[in-house]
Amino acid sequence: QQQVKQSPQSLIVQKGGISIINCAYENTAFDYFPWYQQFPGKGPALLIAIRPDVSEKKEGRFTISFNKSAKQFSLHIMDSQPGDSATYFCAAGVDSNYQLIWGAGTKLIIKP
Amino acid sequence: DAGVTQSPTHLIKTRGQQVTLRCSPKSGHDTVSWYQQALGQGPQFIFQYYEEEERQRGNFPDRFSGHQFPNYSSELNVNALLLGDSALYLCASSPRFGGGGELFFGEGSRLTVL
Repeated sequence: QQQVKQSPQSLIVQKGGISIINCAYENTAFDYFPWYQQFPGKGPALLIAIRPDVSEKKEGRFTISFNKSAKQFSLHIMDSQPGDSATYFCAAGVDSNYQLIWGAGTKLIIKP
Repeated sequence: DAGVTQSPTHLIKTRGQQVTLRCSPKSGHDTVSWYQQALGQGPQFIFQYYEEEERQRGNFPDRFSGHQFPNYSSELNVNALLLGDSALYLCASSPRFGGGGELFFGEGSRLTVL
């Protein structure tokens, strides 16, 4: 019940295209859903996060869509750029603490 | 403003040995969490410290222990190392209150157990 399942494992998108990564969770107590971006040799960095009181959150080219009834959320990267090439992790947690449960990651490659 | 710093960046140990990893949190942060990231996997929560005490713990054996100092820096200790302990160990800091949930990560300590 603590798992967060992330797909796909890897993704190749042409420059300018839309990258979509999906996650599903089981624990209905989760109320905080962040996406982290990790470049090789670096620690993860927060990209965007959402709480279940909204169905969508947009920050620049990055959008989270959240479906509470399906227990699913996704990251959309519009106008994908080569600099977006990284590993993306979804995570879930309870806001009262910082203990996050992480997906396995998606390696995104943007082709020029 | 320095971010989260970790040391050492890389280290090699043999089975049965003990290791200590260190972390200095971002300025203004008083809470430190440790995560283990195996190759090709997402981070797994080990434990969290604030006010110099372990407050939460993930599903890790007692071989994993930690400490937080009055200046909020922290250590992760792993005893009786196993081959399966080879991983990137990430430290993340956050403010106890008002942080909005964001974790700030260091670049990690890469541990190889031979």
